[in-house]
This record gives sequence, C-alpha cells and structure tokens, in this order.
Amino acid sequence: EDQVTQSPEALRLQEGESSSLNCSYTVSGLRGLFWYRQDPGKGPEFLFTLYSAGEEKEKERLKATLTKKESFLHITAPKPEDSATYLCAVQEYRDSSYKLIFGSGTRLLVRP
Amino acid sequence: DTEVTQTPKHLVMGMTNKKSLKCEQHMGHRAMYWYKQKAKKPPELMFVYSYEKLSINESVPSRFSPECPNSSLLNLHLHALQPEDSALYLCASRGNEKLFFGSGTQLSVL
Repeated sequence: EDQVTQSPEALRLQEGESSSLNCSYTVSGLRGLFWYRQDPGKGPEFLFTLYSAGEEKEKERLKATLTKKESFLHITAPKPEDSATYLCAVQEYRDSSYKLIFGSGTRLLVRP
Repeated sequence: DTEVTQTPKHLVMGMTNKKSLKCEQHMGHRAMYWYKQKAKKPPELMFVYSYEKLSINESVPSRFSPECPNSSLLNLHLHALQPEDSALYLCASRGNEKLFFGSGTQLSVL
C-alpha cells in the first residue's frame, strides 16, 4: 500500500530563515506527487504537482523537487504569511478513480 | 469560476439529528470527493463519485450517506452520528489533474 511520511512534524523559522520540508513516499508506481498548503479551518490549496524524478517547480518563495524516494519543499526567505500546514500527497488510481493519499503534514510557523 | 462551495460552514448537531452537507462546483469536473479531517491530522478519503456514480467507499459507516444528484452537486447526509464524528468535512472536485478543495464544514456532534 502507498505510504507518505512527512518531516518535521512542526517547524519554527524566523522571517528570512530558509529551510526545507521533507516528504518520503513508497508507491508501486508514482502517478503524481502533490504539495498543498492548508490554513487553519480551511481546505487545502494546491501548490505543485511533480511526476518524475528530477522535476522541479517554483512559485514565489517555494520550490518543490522530486527524487525516486522523496520530495522536498524549499522555502526561501519565508515571511509570516507563509505560516500554514504543508501537506504532501501521492496519487493512486483505483476502481476507475484517482485518489490522494496524504502525509501527516508539516506545521510551519514563521515569526517576524 | 474555480471554486468549490460548501455549506454550511459550521454545523452543530445532536446524536439523534439528521442533517446534510452540501457541495457545489461549476468547473465541469466529473469526479467529486468527500474527505474527513480531524484536528492536526491529514484529510482521510471517505467517498469518490465519478460521473455521478459512487466509485470508492472507504468502508465508511452507514450513518454517512453520500448522494450525487448531478455533476455539479454532492451531498453528504448525516444520521445518528457519534461525538467522535466531529471533524472538518471537505469536499473536492478533480480537474486539470488536481483536486480543488472547498473550505469545508466544521461539524460538532454533541
């Protein structure tokens, strides 16, 4: 069965202090690795999809990378508004439908 | 319109009540989802509808009853819930190879 593990569970950064979040996965055949951002009491907001090892995507201060076993979300010079829970998920195809299997998330707090 | 709209935003119900959650999207997506999320936990899949037919039921108790009246609407009927069913219920639709989530319904069962 597909599994997704995220680390660290929580991360506190000072504004401007760059860091990386990790997502390791075990799947029988990767059909996409997704990153979502979730604010408290809200639904997840799509950030990136990665499909193959070596692929990279960027959006503002965020950059996602993918290897055969893990993905990283790099946050460069974060701002307090980047504080949120970041969820990683792998996509599975079953019973003629796609489903996302989420990791437990990394709660990021960026202090001014 | 790239929104998934969920109503109500908050719901408090007793264990003997019957209530329904509603989800609507007008993006033309043909797959819709219900997820349940407990505090500080990841979303857990409950149901998937594909072309208005139930395709995945993740062994959800029968006190949760999904319904997909048409391609734009998804309902979740609730009956005889337990306090441990209190959670954020998220609806999503799939399009452009990704899931679009609504803001959720925060459900409290007393």
